[in-house]
Amino acid sequence: DVKVTQSSRYLVKRTGEKVFLECVQDMDHENMFWYRQDPGLGLRLIYFSYDVKMKEKGDIPEGYSVSREKKERFSLILESASTNQTSMYLCASRPNRGRLIGYTFGSGTRLTVV
Amino acid sequence: GQQVMQIPQYQHVQEGEDFTTYCNSSTTLSNIQWYKQRPGGHPVFLIQLVKSGEVKKQKRLTFQFGEAKKNSSLHITATQTTDVGTYFCAGPYGNKLVFGAGTILRVKS
Repeated sequence: DVKVTQSSRYLVKRTGEKVFLECVQDMDHENMFWYRQDPGLGLRLIYFSYDVKMKEKGDIPEGYSVSREKKERFSLILESASTNQTSMYLCASRPNRGRLIGYTFGSGTRLTVV
Repeated sequence: GQQVMQIPQYQHVQEGEDFTTYCNSSTTLSNIQWYKQRPGGHPVFLIQLVKSGEVKKQKRLTFQFGEAKKNSSLHITATQTTDVGTYFCAGPYGNKLVFGAGTILRVKS
């Protein structure tokens, strides 16, 4: 089974802090994604990556950046955390397009910014 | 922009009743995916539909893809308490998978 592991289940940070959310997958998937989930809004794509050192903006990239130095690891960075970034953050991975396979999600990191 | 609308937002049913959630896209989709998220859990991939008019079944779950490939539905027959959770549809728009807001299903036993 594919495993997508997110480093923290719960995180509390202060406004203005730099926050790193880590995600590691163990199945050599090319594609990795960061979503945030808020009640009534579903899952919204922040950033995604097709390959090492490649990244593309999703629908809500403002206030975030990402890093993919190794294929298995995709990090989400909140440059200066704000209270409106309090949310559930979900990482996902998928092999290359063209295959009938859905996304595999991690367990999520619930981030609270105070 | 790309939109995936999902209704209803919330449904509370008696155990044994049927349940349906509907998904509509603003544009034609190459495929549609469905996910289930249990309370406190993360989304889990259920199925992908690709063909116009396609119908697939997984035990008590029936998934349909519309003829125009712009809408889809998930129907659960005789709900059980294990069906509780949020059901999401998702469609690809270019390089991105866009999710609907989800339908929260609660089952009264």
